[in-house]
Amino acid sequence: QKEVEQNSGPLSVPEGAIASLNCTYSDRGSQSFFWYRQYSGKSPELIMSIYSNGDKEDGRFTAQLNKASQYVSLLIRDSQPSDSATYLCAVNILGSSNTGKLIFGQGTTLQVKP
Amino acid sequence: DAGVTQSPTHLIKTRGQQVTLRCSPKSGHDTVSWYQQALGQGPQFIFQYYEEEERQRGNFPDRFSGHQFPNYSSELNVNALLLGDSALYLCASSWWWTYGVDTQYFGPGTRLTVL
Repeated sequence: QKEVEQNSGPLSVPEGAIASLNCTYSDRGSQSFFWYRQYSGKSPELIMSIYSNGDKEDGRFTAQLNKASQYVSLLIRDSQPSDSATYLCAVNILGSSNTGKLIFGQGTTLQVKP
Repeated sequence: DAGVTQSPTHLIKTRGQQVTLRCSPKSGHDTVSWYQQALGQGPQFIFQYYEEEERQRGNFPDRFSGHQFPNYSSELNVNALLLGDSALYLCASSWWWTYGVDTQYFGPGTRLTVL
């Protein structure tokens, strides 16, 4: 089982719709979770971080975390063509001496059609 | 506020050669992590440096080595390059805190092509 799993997509939604991106993880000890957006040929850009169960909203973006189900999601409201990108889910895995490394899913490609 | 910078932007090498990639962290950050991203995949953790020491390492061979300098900048060295080393190499910077590394911010990356 992969440590962080995402559906690779592509997920296609019409402009103005809600895009729902999902991610599951295997390490129950994980404490911090991140969503990054990556445009083709560019580096990942942080969108949201979430640490507690429940919802966290930032503008058109809402991150949801359910530690019991080991599930993280990202909702994008009023999707725009400029949101078309690959969305990477990342989980901070703690190592020895409180070191932490990000484990990424393979990313979900989102296409927002005008 | 300067973000994470990396150099060079692109690099072409041949098999068996050695390469050095450089990273300067975001102002105020003290921890640098390196990732390799193959085409169509998510980034894979290579290693992490804090206080000039390698603190954690991913599943990469010893051909991959690094260094952190007193000003927190870092280098990634890859020896005996293989075709499979062709990838986007990403540097991420963050603060070190009690419960592990804080939010990581990525630089623009170095695209390495091995022929």
